[in-house]
Amino acid sequence: GQQLNQSPQSMFIQEGEDVSMNCTSSSIFNTWLWYKQDPGEGPVLLIALYKAGELTSNGRLTAQFGITRKDSFLNISASIPSDVGIYFCAGQTGGGADGLTFGKGTHLIIQP
Amino acid sequence: ETGVTQSPTHLIKTRGQQVTLRCSSQSGHNTVSWYQQALGQGPQFIFQYYREEENGRGNFPPRFSGLQFPNYSSELNVNALELDDSALYLCASSHPGQRSDTQYFGPGTRLTVL
Repeated sequence: GQQLNQSPQSMFIQEGEDVSMNCTSSSIFNTWLWYKQDPGEGPVLLIALYKAGELTSNGRLTAQFGITRKDSFLNISASIPSDVGIYFCAGQTGGGADGLTFGKGTHLIIQP
Repeated sequence: ETGVTQSPTHLIKTRGQQVTLRCSSQSGHNTVSWYQQALGQGPQFIFQYYREEENGRGNFPPRFSGLQFPNYSSELNVNALELDDSALYLCASSHPGQRSDTQYFGPGTRLTVL
C-alpha cells in the first residue's frame, strides 16, 4: 500500500521561529491535506490542496502541493506557543472512498 | 453548526468481547469514515459509509463492521476484540458540496482492550 514519509519526526524550536515540515510519497496523490492534533483530540484540518503546484495559505500557515504530486510541505511562520502539537500530512490517490493515507506526524515543541 | 461528535469518550473491554462505537456527523455531512489511530502513529483508514452503504474499505478484517443511519450517523462494531485493537478510533465526515476527501474529524473514542 501507499506509504507517506513525513519529516522531521520532531522539532524543537524557539518561539517566533519559522517551521518547515514535509511529506513524500511513493505514489501519486490527487489530494494533500494537513492536520494538527492536540493531545486527546481528533485531527483538525488546517489546509487542503487539490492541484499539483497549488500554494495555499491559512493565516501563518502555508502549504504546497508538489509538482510531481508525490510531495507536499507545510510552513508555519513566526511560531507561537499554541502551535505546539502533532502535525499530520494526509493524501488520497483516488476518489473519496479510498480513505486518507496519513504520515506518522511531526511533533512540534516550542521552547519559550 | 455542530461538529462531529463521538461516544463514548473512553471504553475498557476485555479480549474476546464486542464493542460498538458511535458517531454523529457534522451537520449536512452525508459521508462518514472511520479510522484507527494506534499510539504514536497516524490514523489508518478502516472504512467509509455513504447513503447507508459501505463504499470503501481499508486493510481491516471482517470483524470490523459498521452501519450508517438515515440521519447520517454511524456505528463501528468490532467483534472478538484483540489486545492490538487498543487505539483511538476516529470518525470523520465530509460534505456533499465539497470533495469527499476533505474530511473533518471528531474527538475520538479511546478503546483499551485488556
